[in-house]
Amino acid sequence: AQKVTQAQTEISVVEKEDVTLDCVYETRDTTYYLFWYKQPPSGELVFLIRRNSFDEQNEISGRYSWNFQKSTSSFNFTITASQVVDSAVYFCALRANTGNQFYFGTGTSLTVIP
Amino acid sequence: GAGVSQSPSNKVTEKGKDVELRCDPISGHTALYWYRQSLGQGLEFLIYFQGNSAPDKSGLPSDRFSAERTGGSVSTLTIQRTQQEDSAVYLCASSPGQPWDYEQYFGPGTRLTVT
Repeated sequence: AQKVTQAQTEISVVEKEDVTLDCVYETRDTTYYLFWYKQPPSGELVFLIRRNSFDEQNEISGRYSWNFQKSTSSFNFTITASQVVDSAVYFCALRANTGNQFYFGTGTSLTVIP
Repeated sequence: GAGVSQSPSNKVTEKGKDVELRCDPISGHTALYWYRQSLGQGLEFLIYFQGNSAPDKSGLPSDRFSAERTGGSVSTLTIQRTQQEDSAVYLCASSPGQPWDYEQYFGPGTRLTVT
């Protein structure tokens, strides 16, 4: 079975603080893909990143970074020096190599306070 | 460029009525997904189309739900005899569909309210 858990329902930080959003996944497939999406207040989901199971290299993109650890089945997302525009709901998702479904977590609502 | 579009943006219907929701994917995208997002919940997979292959309907919650995709492009999600529990935001997403390229691009959604 495939499953994504985002244990943090809501997080509030003060602007310029760093924040890490946790994502834990479950799958028996050896090949799979992990994603993060951002859903701003306007509602439209925006793709942030995709990682393959065979590539554990962490990635940094500006203020965003992702830590993929197969040993703990986690794919955590860190925002450095948060800004008010980062306020959104963030979803982690899993797509196994078998089947067509994307499995989404329930999301973490991030509020950045000015 | 043009993204995924959905119509209507909002739909209010009475319980028992049928509704049709439309999705126009990004041109050239072979994969198309429908999801349902209930208040405060994650996205629930409904159905998946890939090219001319038979759709994966494994996520449809009941036989009141159906979807089609004409000409490999526009898709319509139909809900018959709507129930109040069908109230949600219905999201459509398209993807290039290649095994090494599974990013999904989402539309703005249709907010369905069943009264």
